[in-house]
Amino acid sequence: QSALTQPASVSGSPGQSITISCTGTSSDLGGYNYVSWYQQHPGKAPKLMIYDVNNRPSGVSNRFSGSKSGNTASLTISGLQPEDEADYYCSSFRSGHTLVFGGGTKLTVL
Amino acid sequence: QVQLVESGGGVVQPGRSLRLSCAASGLILSTYGMHWVRQAPGKGLEWVAGISFHGRDKYYADSVQGRFTISRDNSKNTLYLQMSSLRAEDTAVYYCAREMSSSWMFDYWGQGTLVTVSS
Repeated sequence: QSALTQPASVSGSPGQSITISCTGTSSDLGGYNYVSWYQQHPGKAPKLMIYDVNNRPSGVSNRFSGSKSGNTASLTISGLQPEDEADYYCSSFRSGHTLVFGGGTKLTVL
Repeated sequence: QVQLVESGGGVVQPGRSLRLSCAASGLILSTYGMHWVRQAPGKGLEWVAGISFHGRDKYYADSVQGRFTISRDNSKNTLYLQMSSLRAEDTAVYYCAREMSSSWMFDYWGQGTLVTVSS
């Protein structure tokens, strides 16, 4: 089960916006809207940031937004803040009733 | 307040078995699908297994199919992962996670329990 494809790292300065891409196939990202994004700080459990492509759970800042086009999903973080520095993972339901994660993207706030 | 607490991790020899538990509080486990996700040291997240709210439907990653068994005891509000024929590559922190709205997305996670497979 190959993972979804994410860039290994992205960076941005405080106040800037960044976008993390996540590429899959028609069997996962392209075929379903069960796409989510997780934030993980070192030594901590992942935290759900976006679900169903572009929905934010209660309590998540509106600086986080998601989108999808074809087989690629994206997470955009606007107004970067130092506390946004973390690893980010996308995930998608995949046909056959499995779940696949992306390889993860390390966000550095310069 | 929803809490998921994993236990049962430790050091185990290759080929042996281990059972993880995930005790839930602040929620009625029987109303949610539940999953196990693992993370090898310094690596990314890997979905391991999932189980429907009633326990009749179970799903597994290819990497653990036939070796791991997910189960639940709703009367004890507890999720389990029975792991057998363990391999070095199963070494990871194992998280249990609650599925929100049958969506294969996880809104609550435990703190994780470390499993180390080594001779």
